[in-house]
Amino acid sequence: DSGVTQTPKHLITATGQRVTLRCSPRSGDLSVYWYQQSLDQGLQFLIQYYNGEERAKGNILERFSAQQFPDLHSELNLSSLELGDSALYFCASSAGIHNEQFFGPGTRLTVL
Amino acid sequence: EDKVVQSPLSLVVHEGDTVTLNCSYEVTNFRSLLWYKQEKKAPTFLFMLTSSGIEKKSGRLSSILDKKELFSILNITATQTGDSAVYLCAVGGGNAGNMLTFGGGTRLMVKP
Repeated sequence: DSGVTQTPKHLITATGQRVTLRCSPRSGDLSVYWYQQSLDQGLQFLIQYYNGEERAKGNILERFSAQQFPDLHSELNLSSLELGDSALYFCASSAGIHNEQFFGPGTRLTVL
Repeated sequence: EDKVVQSPLSLVVHEGDTVTLNCSYEVTNFRSLLWYKQEKKAPTFLFMLTSSGIEKKSGRLSSILDKKELFSILNITATQTGDSAVYLCAVGGGNAGNMLTFGGGTRLMVKP
C-alpha cells in the first residue's frame, strides 16, 4: 500500500458523459500526478500539480482537466467521453517536484 | 520526442535463475531513472537512479545507471515465483516539472 488513495475503483459510464476521479496523496506529499494506462499506449503522463499549481503537462486532451485543492487532494475531470477513453487512470504523489513517485491503486474507467 | 525502450519484451525463467532487464532512453533534460514492478494494478516503486555507476540494491534486486550510454539495467538474483510481474522503466525529465516517460515494460514469468 503506497499511501495514495483513489476513488472510485471502478467507473462505468456512457459516451458523451462526464466523470470525476479523485486522488488523495501520501501524507506530506505536495506533488500529484495523473497517468493514463491503456493496452495499446502503455502508461502515459497527463499532468502534474505541485502545491496547488500546475507544474507540467503531457498529452492531456482538451476534454480533460484537473486541479489540486488547498488540502492537496486532486481531481481529474473527463468530459464528452469517448470509447477510447476507457483505461486505467493512476494518480501518483511525491514529496517535492522531482522526487520518486508513488502510485495509487488506480480507477478503471469503462466507457460504453 | 522522449523515448524509453525496454528489452526483452518478455522472459520466462525458473526459480533460482538470475535475470537482467534492460532499459535505454532518449529524454530531454534527464533528471532520474526509475524502476517499478507492476503485478495486478498499481506500479510499485523499486529504485530511483540519478548518478552514473552507483549501484542501488534492495535484497535480491539491484540496478545501475549509465548516463553516458543512456541505459540502465535491473538485476534480479535467485528469482522466486513472486517476482513474476511486469517491470517498468521510467525516465523523469522535462523543463519545469517531473513527467515520467515509461517504457513498454518487460513481462517476467518465473516458473517453479
